[in-house]
Amino acid sequence: EPEVTQTPSHQVTQMGQEVILRCVPISNHLYFYWYRQILGQKVEFLVSFYNNEISEKSEIFDDQFSVERPDGSNFTLKIRSTKLEDSAMYFCASSYDREQFFGPGTRLTVL
Amino acid sequence: AQSVTQLGSHVSVSEGALVLLRCNYSSSVPPYLFWYVQYPNQGLQLLLKYTTGATLVKGINGFEAEFKKSETSFHLTKPSAHMSDAAEYFCAVSKVQGGSEKLVFGKGTKLTVNP
Repeated sequence: EPEVTQTPSHQVTQMGQEVILRCVPISNHLYFYWYRQILGQKVEFLVSFYNNEISEKSEIFDDQFSVERPDGSNFTLKIRSTKLEDSAMYFCASSYDREQFFGPGTRLTVL
Repeated sequence: AQSVTQLGSHVSVSEGALVLLRCNYSSSVPPYLFWYVQYPNQGLQLLLKYTTGATLVKGINGFEAEFKKSETSFHLTKPSAHMSDAAEYFCAVSKVQGGSEKLVFGKGTKLTVNP
């Protein structure tokens, strides 16, 4: 059964460093999403991406964040200068219509 | 704006007992409703969804949920809890329009199943 994959599973970085979180969505899906879950809190929407552009973004998704689908298979989330409060589990999701399939997540720890 | 309220951050049941996890939503347009389950250190797995049609929807692992528009609710139930049901459950809503639609999640309910 096709699934969304994410790498790395755990990323530790120093405050101020750039990180890139990678996702491989399900191959025939058209819509791509990033969500995050700060420890003990609810899952929050960051950004959605369709037809090679951002279709919606939350207020969390400020200028420090960017997304890219560089090669038609990968979908990446870049945080330019990480802050302590960026520590969270980041989930990638993809969908063909309305059902979103989630990856296992990348746990980002900012020290 | 859409929102989801899950009553009870923690629910504890005995094995074999009824599971009832509550979810109320707010939406100015017809909603799509979802329940996701998250096992420890894992991602989100879709349990079931309501889009249109029958208001009682059945999902995986014996779970079901009923969409009640008049009560703006989408409670999740399972007649008999199993130890393997211990996990965190998230209710989510999205809008019935467009294609790319974000999910708005509730805060989650952690289910504990006691032997």
